[in-house]
Amino acid sequence: ILNVEQSPQSLHVQEGDSTNFTCSFPSSNFYALHWYRWETAKSPEALFVMTLNGDEKKKGRISATLNTKEGYSYLYIKGSQPEDSATYLCAFTPGGADGLTFGKGTHLIIQP
Amino acid sequence: NAGVTQTPKFQVLKTGQSMTLQCAQDMNHEYMSWYRQDPGMGLRLIHYSVGAGITDQGEVPNGYNVSRSTTEDFPLRLLSAAPSQTSVYFCASSYSGGSTGELFFGEGSRLTVL
Repeated sequence: ILNVEQSPQSLHVQEGDSTNFTCSFPSSNFYALHWYRWETAKSPEALFVMTLNGDEKKKGRISATLNTKEGYSYLYIKGSQPEDSATYLCAFTPGGADGLTFGKGTHLIIQP
Repeated sequence: NAGVTQTPKFQVLKTGQSMTLQCAQDMNHEYMSWYRQDPGMGLRLIHYSVGAGITDQGEVPNGYNVSRSTTEDFPLRLLSAAPSQTSVYFCASSYSGGSTGELFFGEGSRLTVL
């Protein structure tokens, strides 16, 4: 069983502040790392799929970095807005696998 | 634009009953999968399929059965429901396999087994 850890488990951030959180995964046999946003009463939606060490991806105010050698990825949100409130999931897949192993998520609450 | 459609959205079963959760996608995705979501745990892979006629087990396959006769449909069968199968079930599909392709999720099916 692969170990994918996300920290912190939950996070309260003031509107307008920037924030970041971490996903840790096994550094051996890396193949891909996914980030998803999961809003209450909705389904998870993909943010990024990252495959290369040093990858940086950006979508609006949200960006992510990837370090496969040390086994971690950071998700950054710049200038948090209330609509950013959600649970952010990361998921890892090693080489040769056909499925994702998800972390438990970081629950982000943006306070006005 | 339907995407991934799951039915039913809610179901209550008694221990020992069987049922099928339906999943259909209209995006011509080859890869489809079923996950379960339990409190305090990440999404866990039950079964997946990389194309019609091909299925394989995920992390938690016991008590579940799947088949893939068409590209569009991937039903999940509970053979003899147990309280431990009380969960929220998500079907997800991808255009590019189960590793580098982003997953598109259905809205979920909440199952309670009494």
